[in-house]
Amino acid sequence: DAEITQSPRHKITETGRQVTLACHQTWNHNNMFWYRQDLGHGLRLIHYSYGVQDTNKGEVSDGYSVSRSNTEDLPLTLESAASSQTSVYFCASSAARAAGGPRGNEQFFGPGTRLTVL
Amino acid sequence: SQQGEEDPQALSIQEGENATMNCSYKTSINNLQWYRQNSGRGLVHLILIRSNEREKHSGRLRVTLDTSKKSSSLLITASRAADTASYFCATDKGGSEKLVFGKGMKLTVNP
Repeated sequence: DAEITQSPRHKITETGRQVTLACHQTWNHNNMFWYRQDLGHGLRLIHYSYGVQDTNKGEVSDGYSVSRSNTEDLPLTLESAASSQTSVYFCASSAARAAGGPRGNEQFFGPGTRLTVL
Repeated sequence: SQQGEEDPQALSIQEGENATMNCSYKTSINNLQWYRQNSGRGLVHLILIRSNEREKHSGRLRVTLDTSKKSSSLLITASRAADTASYFCATDKGGSEKLVFGKGMKLTVNP
């Protein structure tokens, strides 16, 4: 069965370190998204990609970067981790609207990565 | 910025009762979706309603959409303890590929 996975599931790091969170999907979806979830803020979009070599900034992109070298993976990098980046991070994917079909732009979510920056 | 806002923010009911959650949004949309999140898990898609639809059913779920009021409601009938979760509405502002999620609503169903 197709799925979307994230690794690691839990990560503790120190302020100033570079951290990369992995996201891998086998849905063959063009669209991939990274969100962070914090109490009181719901889900906020960090970065997203509509295909290979395409990346775009979301509403809370400062301090984060992504790259898309293939369809399956969209790693999220924190260049210099800060305590304010302590959060739960979710990756999601969806089929492009142009792919058609009745399901619209339903997103499929990974299980999340809990990141703590000390 | 939050496009969708769920109301109420928390609801506690007894098993067998119906649960109604509301969502308001601000701009034109192509569709509105509802997701469920169990504690410690990722979000799971429940149902999608398009802007030209007024009502949709899926099992014990009923969704309505009023584009003139920019609002939607999710009704869960005959609730079960397993329905305990957070529920989010999401909209594709202006038909974008992206979704904008509300802050979520916590439903507790007591056995």
